[in-house]
Amino acid sequence: DAMVIQNPRYQVTQFGKPVTLSCSQTLNHNVMYWYQQKSSQAPKLLFHYYDKDFNNEADTPDNFQSRRPNTSFCFLDIRSPGLGDAAMYLCATSRPGTDVKKTQYFGPGTRLLVL
Amino acid sequence: QKEVEQDPGPLSVPEGAIVSLNCTYSNSAFQYFMWYRQYSRKGPELLMYTYSSGNKEDGRFTAQVDKSSKYISLFIRDSQPSDSATYLCAMSETGANSKLTFGKGITLSVRP
Repeated sequence: DAMVIQNPRYQVTQFGKPVTLSCSQTLNHNVMYWYQQKSSQAPKLLFHYYDKDFNNEADTPDNFQSRRPNTSFCFLDIRSPGLGDAAMYLCATSRPGTDVKKTQYFGPGTRLLVL
Repeated sequence: QKEVEQDPGPLSVPEGAIVSLNCTYSNSAFQYFMWYRQYSRKGPELLMYTYSSGNKEDGRFTAQVDKSSKYISLFIRDSQPSDSATYLCAMSETGANSKLTFGKGITLSVRP
């Protein structure tokens, strides 16, 4: 089945220790997104790639970086995690266009714990 | 005022009840309206999708959009314990690269 895969599902890191979360997709979608979701809050868009074009949200901290080496893979790098970065990180994909093609397909998420 | 407001909940109903979930929004440019269902510790999954105003039905689920009132609803008929989840409304403008704006979500619990 075509899908969005995130690894690992759970990640524990130490305060200030860099961490990388990964996302892969078999949907062949142009656009990939990274969201941060804290408990009982809406997903917050961090950035997205339209093909190789990187689009950063204005309020995304510099501590968060992303790489997309090819269509299928996208990585989220947190350079120096703080306690406030503990959250669920969601990867999503979409194929831009009209109607249903605008919808986003989410992976299962990676839950990050910062000690 | 936030762009998308959603009743905070939580909401608890008995099995078989009709559930009504609602969102209001302020951006009149929103044209695409979605409901996502998110089970505990999982990613959101698309439940319903509507373009512009009107109703859309899929099994026990009905989505309504009233653009004149900037109000959308999701109705669940004959609710089941398996419907227990967080429901997020989401909206976007037209344009190939428009972003989704989510509500905070409401947690629904259906009691057997």
